[in-house]
Amino acid sequence: NAGVTQTPKFQVLKTGQSMTLQCAQDMNHEYMSWYRQDPGMGLRLIHYSVGAGITDQGEVPNGYNVSRSTTEDFPLRLLSAAPSQTSVYFCASSYSGQGTYEQYFGPGTRLTVT
Amino acid sequence: KQEVTQIPAALSVPEGENLVLNCSFTDSAIYNLQWFRQDPGKGLTSLLLIQSSQREQTSGRLNASLDKSSGRSTLYIAASQPGDSATYLCAVRPNDYKLSFGAGTTVTVRA
Repeated sequence: NAGVTQTPKFQVLKTGQSMTLQCAQDMNHEYMSWYRQDPGMGLRLIHYSVGAGITDQGEVPNGYNVSRSTTEDFPLRLLSAAPSQTSVYFCASSYSGQGTYEQYFGPGTRLTVT
Repeated sequence: KQEVTQIPAALSVPEGENLVLNCSFTDSAIYNLQWFRQDPGKGLTSLLLIQSSQREQTSGRLNASLDKSSGRSTLYIAASQPGDSATYLCAVRPNDYKLSFGAGTTVTVRA
């Protein structure tokens, strides 16, 4: 299994540009989520999904959109990039098997908005 | 709103010393707590997961305890090695899906 994969690894955007961060998992996990990590602030939940076709907002959803058309993929869209969105973005997945909901993380996308 | 705190923010110890990392949380109504390791520029690797009904979990040199009523978890790493140098994060899962993370403790083990 490849686990949780994310592309691209690095991205530089200009203010106002849009882009999509890709996330895929091959473990048939029903739960997927997006976090951003900023220095000294820990990881904060942006959006999450409990299954294909179902998404919900996390702690910091403004400026981001998600959709979940398949179990495997959970892309994150930045609608109009702002410097405040400069961060490292992590995608994670988990499953309810054995009731643990253990989280598995991708390698991250480092985004800079100028 | 769940608040998760990790103290200290950074720790430096000589090789061979035992490490004690602390995590505290404000709402005891949790489903589980997970400890992660993060190397610089990398993703998060799960170390241990403790369900709310458990008191501790062990894996090799790692042992994590959970005291839900007092809102605390401790990660012990025995006989530290330079390869243990990393940032350690704890995350609390309440009864909904929204994980809350601490800011982490950065550990340096000196050879």
